[in-house]
Amino acid sequence: GAGVSQTPSNKVTEKGKYVELRCDPISGHTALYWYRQSLGQGPEFLIYFQGTGAADDSGLPNDRFFAVRPEGSVSTLKIQRTERGDSAVYLCASSLYPPVRGEYYGYTFGSGTRLTVV
Amino acid sequence: AQRVTQPEKLLSVFKGAPVELKCNYSYSGSPELFWYVQYSRQRLQLLLRHISRESIKGFTADLNKGETSFHLKKPFAQEEDSAMYYCALVPAGTYKYIFGTGTRLKVLA
Repeated sequence: GAGVSQTPSNKVTEKGKYVELRCDPISGHTALYWYRQSLGQGPEFLIYFQGTGAADDSGLPNDRFFAVRPEGSVSTLKIQRTERGDSAVYLCASSLYPPVRGEYYGYTFGSGTRLTVV
Repeated sequence: AQRVTQPEKLLSVFKGAPVELKCNYSYSGSPELFWYVQYSRQRLQLLLRHISRESIKGFTADLNKGETSFHLKKPFAQEEDSAMYYCALVPAGTYKYIFGTGTRLKVLA
């Protein structure tokens, strides 16, 4: 596609429910990232995929959060037993190549999914 | 600790006035620094990066290692510059951005 697409754009769920957030990166982009942006904060890193594998999931806050990218393109961020503190905008980004220090780090970001847990 | 600080949540200037958005960082190594911008109802996008020493839309940013700062400047603000601006750092050996909390710039007519 022309850009990074994230669906849904908004999601309201009840505390304790399970949610899935989808990211469709730019075609051909091998690197995919998830960030979370809480109100009044900058985006915070969650996980980085290179191809199908999670190269770095050190930003996932706990084991309720999980992400997959089974075919190396679309990725799904899954949150179990949602809590009110999970409410945030979840941003996905992709880049053509794996980032290399000194090279261009400019990801292409999606518009985000605003998750509200009530 | 690695940290990016943007001390101003909101900066209001009049059209034609100079703009300076402050960014300070805490990092022991040689940083790579960036400014990202988010216009109303649009996605986050890269504005400029310090290693390219470029000027985009009239904005420039100089890395000052002595003051650990990377302030964003523009000599004459325009109304279309109104947006949310984020300063970000990428530590050595990683690909993860560390973002500041952002500054909302409002350019008044």
